[in-house]
Amino acid sequence: DVKVTQSSRYLVKRTGEKVFLECVQDMDHENMFWYRQDPGLGLRLIYFSYDVKMKEKGDIPEGYSVSREKKERFSLILESASTNQTSMYLCASSLRLGNYEQYFGPGTRLTVT
Amino acid sequence: AQSVTQLDSQVPVFEEAPVELRCNYSSSVSVYLFWYVQYPNQGLQLLLKYLSGSTLVESINGFEAEFNKSQTSFHLRKPSVHISDTAEYFCAVSKSSSNTGKLIFGQGTTLQVKP
Repeated sequence: DVKVTQSSRYLVKRTGEKVFLECVQDMDHENMFWYRQDPGLGLRLIYFSYDVKMKEKGDIPEGYSVSREKKERFSLILESASTNQTSMYLCASSLRLGNYEQYFGPGTRLTVT
Repeated sequence: AQSVTQLDSQVPVFEEAPVELRCNYSSSVSVYLFWYVQYPNQGLQLLLKYLSGSTLVESINGFEAEFNKSQTSFHLRKPSVHISDTAEYFCAVSKSSSNTGKLIFGQGTTLQVKP
């Protein structure tokens, strides 16, 4: 079974802090994605990566950056956390370009105070 | 641009009753369609997908969805729900010509199955 793990289930940070959210997949998938999930808005794509060191902006990249130094690991970085970034963050991976089934991690609920 | 609309934010239903969760999409190009389910405190899991072929697709736990191109819909149905079906359901769409696998998700529908 594909397994996507996220470093924390719950995280509380202060405004202005730099925040790292880590995601690891164990199935040699090429594509990895970061979403945020908010009530009434569904999932919105922040960034995705289709190869090591390659990244593309999604629909809401402002205030975020990403890093993919190794194939299995995809990090989401909040350079200076703000209260409007309080949300559930979901990581996903898929096998390769053109393969549409995405496998999701359990999510990290981030609260910025 | 593509978009997905899930017409109901919450659907309460009694156990063993039928249910339909509605999903409409807008796209000027050919699409692939998906339903994902999120059980409480878990990530999303793929429930079923339409890529090509038969317009009626089924999942292993009794759900089915029908792709209706003329009405741009992909409604999810189950003839008899169980308490364990209580979850949030997301409809998603992807351009069939896309090579990135990017999905556009709807707002989600919470299915509440009551005993």
